[in-house]
Parts: sequence; structure tokens; C-alpha cells
Amino acid sequence: QSVLTQPPSTSGTTGQRVTISCSGSSSNIGSNYVYWYQQLPGTAPKLLIYRDNQRPSGVPDRFSGSKSGTAASLAISGLRSEDEGDYYCAARDDSLSGWAFGGGTKLTVL
Amino acid sequence: QVQLVESGGGVVQPGGSLRLSCAASGFTFSSFGMHWVRQAPGRGLEWVAFIRYDGYNKYYADSVKGRFTISRDNYRNTLYLHMNSLRAEDTAVYYCSKEGPASYGGGFDYWGQGTLVTVSS
Repeated sequence: QSVLTQPPSTSGTTGQRVTISCSGSSSNIGSNYVYWYQQLPGTAPKLLIYRDNQRPSGVPDRFSGSKSGTAASLAISGLRSEDEGDYYCAARDDSLSGWAFGGGTKLTVL
Repeated sequence: QVQLVESGGGVVQPGGSLRLSCAASGFTFSSFGMHWVRQAPGRGLEWVAFIRYDGYNKYYADSVKGRFTISRDNYRNTLYLHMNSLRAEDTAVYYCSKEGPASYGGGFDYWGQGTLVTVSS
């Protein structure tokens, strides 16, 4: 059971917009930054969003993050087939003195 | 560019030990904290351990506390994970990851390709 809760799967058609939710608590999302990672099949995770809603250089502006209270979400607009993979949220957890990940959401592009 | 290359994975019997290494290049290794994160087959990501840039502070997930030790050699630009009393549930791909800069507020900004550890008799 992950400390951060994500839906196990979501799907969308090419060009569509999808959102992935990440629910936590006051000890993690409620008091620390949220990060989002993309893991394409057979590869290592890649940073998509840092500090709740900032994109590293090179990440397309189709990807955006937001946070409100103890919940965060990742939005992907203009969906492409190459976006198909797993997406994880992460945040530092003060009660664990460490880091928590969501269970991951598998995105399928139909 | 940042490169993180893990090594040392393999097959080990339950109760055995293994040491993983992560060779870092492309950044000032001694200025950044480092993490180990693992991923069991077909499962999600699990944070394992973190070591501060100077090696003086270390943090562990409850699942590995007392069995795993994270360390680093800032002269060799290398991160280590010493794993003892291994269990079947430790079977996973182990990734090393660099802590993000202060402007990122931390996090994990670069990842290695991972090394597979299989605990089986």
C-alpha cells in the first residue's frame, strides 16, 4: 500500500487531454513539494515536474502539474502515442523521514 | 552530461549480502545528496535510502533499516549500497538517483539505468 494514492490506470486518445491524480496527507503533499516522473517501457524514470508545477528544460509544455492542499495532479495535453508508459508522483514525507512514491498510473494511448 | 552507472547486481541466496555501486560523472558529485530507489518486478517505485552530499546524514526506508547501509566516496565519485540479510522481497531493480539542486527543492533529477538484484535459493 503506497503512502501516495494514484489511480492504477488511465487512457486517452491521440490529441486528448488526460489528468492523473495523486492523493496524500499533511505530512507529505500538504507540506512538501510534489514531483512527477515518467517511466517508459524498459527505461529508467525521468523527471517531468518539480516543485509542484515546474518543468525541467527539455520537457514539453504539454505536461503540467498542480497542487491543492494534500492532492496533486499531472495533466498531459495533446496526447501522443509516445506518452504511453507509467507515471509516478513523489513527495518527501516528514513522518517517515524519507520519501514516498505513488503506486504509479499506467497511461494507455488508444 | 550527468551519467549514473550502477553495477554489482546479481543472484544471491536469502540471508546473503551484496554491494551495489553507482559511478557518477558529469556533475560535482561531492555537492549533491544521492538516493537509492528500487522497483520490484512489475511493481512501482520504492525509495530505499538517501545520503547527504558530505556523507554525514543518512536516511532509510523502514523496510531496509538495520540491513542496508548507504555510503559514498567523494574522491572516487561513487555511491554504494551495502545489503545484508537479503530477503526474497528485496528482489528488484535498484536505481541510483541524484538529488535535485536547491532550485528544484530536492527530489530526484537524474537516474541511472538500474541493476537487478535477485534473491533466490
